[in-house]
Amino acid sequence: GENVEQHPSTLSVQEGDSAVIKCTYSDSASNYFPWYKQELGKRPQLIIDIRSNVGEKKDQRIAVTLNKTAKHFSLHITETQPEDSAVYFCAALLGLTFGKGTDLINQP
Amino acid sequence: DTEVTQTPKHLVMGMTNKKSLKCEQHMGHRAMYWYKQKAKKPPELMFVYSYEKLSINESVPSRFSPECPNSSLLNLHLHALQPEDSALYLCASSQDPTGPSFSGNTIYFGEGSWLTVV
Repeated sequence: GENVEQHPSTLSVQEGDSAVIKCTYSDSASNYFPWYKQELGKRPQLIIDIRSNVGEKKDQRIAVTLNKTAKHFSLHITETQPEDSAVYFCAALLGLTFGKGTDLINQP
Repeated sequence: DTEVTQTPKHLVMGMTNKKSLKCEQHMGHRAMYWYKQKAKKPPELMFVYSYEKLSINESVPSRFSPECPNSSLLNLHLHALQPEDSALYLCASSQDPTGPSFSGNTIYFGEGSWLTVV
């Protein structure tokens, strides 16, 4: 089955800094890669996704990059703000297999 | 409307009780899912229904019994649970997972049902 590795498990950044979270996957057949944000006590919510026919996608302060050859994809958040503090999950294999999550802590 | 509705939001049950979690979506999605999530852990897939038929059962113990009465509803029947089953149970839905061009699409999660087994 698919194996999704996510790093780091915890990421502390100062307000205004950039944050990068990386995921690798094992199944070369995977071609859809969503990212979810989960605030404490709330449901996971999709923030951005990418398909294998593109290498990068941006939406305001967030972007995702995909390297199919290396089987890794990354989430980039610029100008981090306190409301970005949450746990972020990547997923692969039709979006059903999740990484272990990254606890992003934004320090004012 | 991108809403998946789950009830109840909170449930406390004894180990000998029988209870059910309910989920509803009106987005015309033909795939529905149950996930289990522990604090600060990723959601773990339990069951997938595709066109109202069970298509994936991730080796879930029989004390969890899913049911899909129609394309909009998904239930999870609970019986003889253990304290370690206490968790957030998330229902989700997505579009047709069986089309020839399907390559994965957005999974919409409900707010979840917080289950405590005492």
